[in-house]
Amino acid sequence: DQQVKQNSPSLSVQEGRISILNCDYTNSMFDYFLWYKKYPAEGPTFLISISSIKDKNEDGRFTVFLNKSAKHLSLHIVPSQPGDSAVYFCAAPRSGNTPLVFGKGTRLSVIA
Amino acid sequence: KAGVTQTPRYLIKTRGQQVTLSCSPISGHRSVSWYQQTPGQGLQFLFEYFSETQRNKGNFPGRFSGRQFSNSRSEMNVSTLELGDSALYLCASSLPTSGQETQYFGPGTRLLVL
Repeated sequence: DQQVKQNSPSLSVQEGRISILNCDYTNSMFDYFLWYKKYPAEGPTFLISISSIKDKNEDGRFTVFLNKSAKHLSLHIVPSQPGDSAVYFCAAPRSGNTPLVFGKGTRLSVIA
Repeated sequence: KAGVTQTPRYLIKTRGQQVTLSCSPISGHRSVSWYQQTPGQGLQFLFEYFSETQRNKGNFPGRFSGRQFSNSRSEMNVSTLELGDSALYLCASSLPTSGQETQYFGPGTRLLVL
């Protein structure tokens, strides 16, 4: 049972444009969501998180939106830069803080 | 503040051998979790340790085990290695508080089983 789903395995965006990465979840008990960025052969790097009491959280070029009724969240990157090219994972803790349940990831390619 | 460190970074073993991986969490972090990443299964939770006790366990066979020391450092062990154990093994640490806490990952150990 995949509780966190990232339905787009890849996304290609031009430099300077907006990147939108999507994530759906099925467990209504999830109350905290995180986005991680991962380069090959490295560990995931924490990007941004959002609590279920909010519907938006912003940090520089990164904004995460949460739609609880649709069980959907999205990560917006504006403007996209070539260094943003990586795999992005959406995750949520199953209970308390662990374990994290991850989506399968979306590979973002930002083309110069 | 130093991040999560994992040793070794790369490892090659043969089937039937055993392996021990090490993780040092961020200073002050008391929870250590282990994950396995494979191309087919993505990131899968192995187990979590807090105050030297296993607090959560994922759906992996008993060949996978771990422990945590009093300084919060953690080790995981895989016995009787199988080809399918080839993966990137990631360690993550968090404080944790009773609230929503972020897990920070180390660079991982890439294990290749031949």
